[in-house]
Amino acid sequence: DAKTTQPNSMESNEEEPVHLPCNHSTISGTDYIHWYRQLPSQGPEYVIHGLTSNVNNRMASLAIAEDRKSSTLILHRATLRDAAVYYCIRPTDSWGKLQFGAGTQVVVTP
Amino acid sequence: SAVISQKPSRDICQRGTSLTIQCQVDSQVTMMFWYRQQPGQSLTLIATANQGSEATYESGFVIDKFPISRPNLTFSTLTVSNMSPEDSSIYLCSVGEGAAYEQYFGPGTRLTVT
Repeated sequence: DAKTTQPNSMESNEEEPVHLPCNHSTISGTDYIHWYRQLPSQGPEYVIHGLTSNVNNRMASLAIAEDRKSSTLILHRATLRDAAVYYCIRPTDSWGKLQFGAGTQVVVTP
Repeated sequence: SAVISQKPSRDICQRGTSLTIQCQVDSQVTMMFWYRQQPGQSLTLIATANQGSEATYESGFVIDKFPISRPNLTFSTLTVSNMSPEDSSIYLCSVGEGAAYEQYFGPGTRLTVT
């Protein structure tokens, strides 16, 4: 079961950090955690992925719990352009097949 | 990361007809995927298309309705056959790259069936 659990929505003020939680309590030792986002009227966009260690890139940071049962995507300074649906996904096979859930709708207010 | 284009970007089709959607990648990739996004919904995986083998379909999707071709490592097509209004959706292709096969998506094809 590659299920993940995310809140339906989160609100943030512009230029403040956003912490998006994700639970993946049934994760196995070799499963990656992927994050994608989908801006309105666009295709999904890869954000970041991780396995065990915390990861940073130009878009976001990913903090993975020590037991790997949860993770948090961190947007360090939210902008209006970050308003999107964010998906936390565990690939369901070794070739990276993805099953999208409902994700978290992030609303950024000026 | 790979750059992916899709054609057409949108189309309006009559029920009973078929539409073929093209997905072009600017580099050679092994894994390609096709998704459907119905209005107001999340993405649903239709099939995995690897070059040189038959596409693998997810539950609820069949080859007769959604035939897929993968003639080389940079190109794939998805055909939506015998369309009905329920097929009105955005269809997206993606490719998997990197050690974790993170996926990069095309811009999508918005299909309306009347």
